[in-house]
Amino acid sequence: DVKVTQSSRYLVKRTGEKVFLECVQDMDHENMFWYRQDPGLGLRLIYFSYDVKMKEKGDIPEGYSVSREKKERFSLILESASTNQTSMYLCASSLWTGTGDQNTEAFFGQGTRLTVV
Amino acid sequence: ILNVEQSPQSLHVQEGDSTNFTCSFPSSNFYALHWYRWETAKSPEALFVMTLNGDEKKKGRISATLNTKEGYSYLYIKGSQPEDSATYLCAFEGSGGGSTLGRLYFGRGTQLTVWP
Repeated sequence: DVKVTQSSRYLVKRTGEKVFLECVQDMDHENMFWYRQDPGLGLRLIYFSYDVKMKEKGDIPEGYSVSREKKERFSLILESASTNQTSMYLCASSLWTGTGDQNTEAFFGQGTRLTVV
Repeated sequence: ILNVEQSPQSLHVQEGDSTNFTCSFPSSNFYALHWYRWETAKSPEALFVMTLNGDEKKKGRISATLNTKEGYSYLYIKGSQPEDSATYLCAFEGSGGGSTLGRLYFGRGTQLTVWP
């Protein structure tokens, strides 16, 4: 079974703290994604990565950075947490689109509910 | 930002009713259209990934159709059951052009509630 594992299910952090959310996948997928989910706003892409050390900004990258030093691991960093970053964060992985006739379905982690106080 | 629209936003049906939702997406630079089911307190799970115009896929009571030329897909649920209650998301995957390769562009979802 494909597995995407996020390091924490629930997290409470203080305003101004640097926060690391970790995600690991075991299917050798090229693509990895970080989304946040807020009521009424659906899934919004923060960053994604299509290869080690490669990253692309999504729709809401402000206040976040990412790191992909190894293919299986994609980290989301909140440089200085703020209360408006309280949200559910979802990590996902998939095969690279450009590899032809591949099933590129995304596999999601269980989510991290982050509360910034 | 590339636009993927889903309708309706929410739907309430009685057990046994059949229902359908719509996903609209760009008709150019198409690679695939994804459907996901997202149950409360769980992670989204893929239902279908469709790549060919005219594609029809089926999984139990759920089926989907795809029209890439006009940019829409329908998801059908036959004989809805309470366990079908979830948010159904569609996502467009492009082949470049106006979209970023590898990225999924999600709609906001249709929230389905099936009453017993």
